Amino acid sequence: EAQVTQNPRYLITVTGKKLTVTCSQNMNHEYMSWYRQDPGLGLRQIYYSMNVEVTDKGDVPEGYKVSRKEKRNFPLILESPSPNQTSLYFCASSFTGASTDTQYFGPGTRLTVL
Amino acid sequence: AQTVTQSQPEMSVQEAETVTLSCTYDTSESDYYLFWYKQPPSRQMILVIRQEAYKQQNATENRFSVNFQKAAKSFSLKISDSQLGDAAMYFCAYRSFDNYGQNFVFGPGTRLSVLP
Repeated sequence: EAQVTQNPRYLITVTGKKLTVTCSQNMNHEYMSWYRQDPGLGLRQIYYSMNVEVTDKGDVPEGYKVSRKEKRNFPLILESPSPNQTSLYFCASSFTGASTDTQYFGPGTRLTVL
Repeated sequence: AQTVTQSQPEMSVQEAETVTLSCTYDTSESDYYLFWYKQPPSRQMILVIRQEAYKQQNATENRFSVNFQKAAKSFSLKISDSQLGDAAMYFCAYRSFDNYGQNFVFGPGTRLSVLP
């Protein structure tokens, strides 16, 4: 089954404790992206990757890191989480980054930073 | 920068009735794409419908259709014969035609309740 998976689905952590949210897709997609969803703001892009070893900032990259060492994986790293990073996070992928491509979203990760 | 506005934070509709969700956007571009995504309680983001700005014809997917008014920068979603499974958060989104790699601009969402 074609899908985008994220782990963990739920995470409660404390300020300053480094964490990684994994994202994996099995569709051989070149393009992958991370979003955060906050009430009243919709989804906002954090980082995206056009292909292996190619990443770029989205609209809200502060406090996040990403890496793309393999085509299928695109982890989101919070080196020192803060309470304002409490949010719902989505990973998405598509064949390319072209606007015509449909993005496939993962199931979301609910992160709470205390 | 583009913006997307959904002025109805919440709406409700009776089962089997029709409901229209509003979306307006602001852009100086002439070519772009517009989307409606559905997010049920499972939180999964599901593409409902897509509209290319250069197409005059309004997109339709089964019970879902849009009213695209390019000059007014309006993109409303009509759900006909509403079903209980239509209850969800609905997001309107904009994507530039040639903004390769860059993401969508999402609206804040409208929460739709379907009453039995």
